[in-house]
Amino acid sequence: GAVVSQHPSWVICKSGTSVKIECRSLDFQATTMFWYRQFPKQSLMLMATSNEGSKATYEQGVEKDKFLINHASLTLSTLTVTSAHPEDSSFYICSAPMTGSFYTFGSGTRLTVV
Amino acid sequence: QKEVEQDPGPLSVPEGAIVSLNCTYSNSAFQYFMWYRQYSRKGPELLMYTYSSGNKEDGRFTAQVDKSSKYISLFIRDSQPSDSATYLCAMSEWAAGNKLTFGGGTRVLVKP
Repeated sequence: GAVVSQHPSWVICKSGTSVKIECRSLDFQATTMFWYRQFPKQSLMLMATSNEGSKATYEQGVEKDKFLINHASLTLSTLTVTSAHPEDSSFYICSAPMTGSFYTFGSGTRLTVV
Repeated sequence: QKEVEQDPGPLSVPEGAIVSLNCTYSNSAFQYFMWYRQYSRKGPELLMYTYSSGNKEDGRFTAQVDKSSKYISLFIRDSQPSDSATYLCAMSEWAAGNKLTFGGGTRVLVKP
């Protein structure tokens, strides 16, 4: 089946540094990728929608300059958390829509900012 | 009021019991309904998918959608300890490419 590979699965970074998270569609072309954030014991909150070759669409309240999204090819979308702070520590998940209204998810990235 | 409401649990059942999960929603435009299972620190995996009202069965899983009541359910028969996870309902208005709206998730624990 369709797979989205997400890396890294876990990252620890120092406050003030930037972290890049990658999501690759392995056996299909993803023209759209959704990026979610999930805090412990909470549901997925949509952060932004990336579209190949165009600017990402951010949800209300999400800082565009802090969460940089690039979707330069049909198989790769990246989320960069810039100048990370402890409050950015969370679980980040990407998702790509498939045919027939199915959505496949990456395995998630646990970000810890110290 | 949240657009999709889901009891957070935890729901604890003995092995072999039927697990009953449900979500209510307020947006009558939702047409596509999904149930995802999420293990701790993993991405969600699709369990069931239903379009509009009706029932759908797949192995031990049965999904029901009642659009008139804005209520969806997931039943897990013969529950196993490996079914212990968080179950998320999700729904969307249109076909592929539209963003999903998730419920808060219900944590399920199946005790051996």
